[in-house]
Amino acid sequence: DGGITQSPKYLFRKEGQNVTLSCEQNLNHDAMYWYRQDPGQGLRLIYYSQIVNDFQKGDIAEGYSVSREKKESFPLTVTSAQKNPTAFYLCASRRLQGNYGYTFGSGTRLTVV
Amino acid sequence: QQQVKQSPQSLIVQKGGISIINCAYENTAFDYFPWYQQFPGKGPALLIAIRPDVSEKKEGRFTISFNKSAKQFSLHIMDSQPGDSATYFCAASKGGGADGLTFGKGTHLIIQP
Repeated sequence: DGGITQSPKYLFRKEGQNVTLSCEQNLNHDAMYWYRQDPGQGLRLIYYSQIVNDFQKGDIAEGYSVSREKKESFPLTVTSAQKNPTAFYLCASRRLQGNYGYTFGSGTRLTVV
Repeated sequence: QQQVKQSPQSLIVQKGGISIINCAYENTAFDYFPWYQQFPGKGPALLIAIRPDVSEKKEGRFTISFNKSAKQFSLHIMDSQPGDSATYFCAASKGGGADGLTFGKGTHLIIQP
């Protein structure tokens, strides 16, 4: 079945550590996105990528970094510069042409301990 | 600046009733308006979407009403069921949506048996 796989489902980080969240899709979608979700907030865009080896900052990119070396993969690194990293992180993808539908993964819950 | 405002924040509806969630947007360049349904611990799933060239779209028990002049759109859930209990997000995008969706803050819907 085609879809988006995010791993791990739960992640704990000590203060001052960098952590990397994985996102893989087998939908042959061109574009991939990372969103952050906090209680009572909507989803806020962190980074997105429309093609391999290219990506753009979203609304809340500070303290995060990404790479897009393969079409299928779009990992997100939460760096120690992110002051409040505890959140639910969602990865999404879509085709660039035609239908505008976004497909979301099941998310990674990151907790700073 | 919040570009998509969603209300109410929470909603309780009796089984069989009509659930109504409203959104207002500011950016007149938005040209795609989807609604997403999210269950706890899961990623959002596309429910229904509309473009500004139509005023209403219906899929099963779910209807989007769109008022371009007022810059408002709403989701109506007819014959609401306990299984509809979830968080609902409205969203908007422009220019093909390649640069991401802008989300409302969500509505926590509870359908009472």
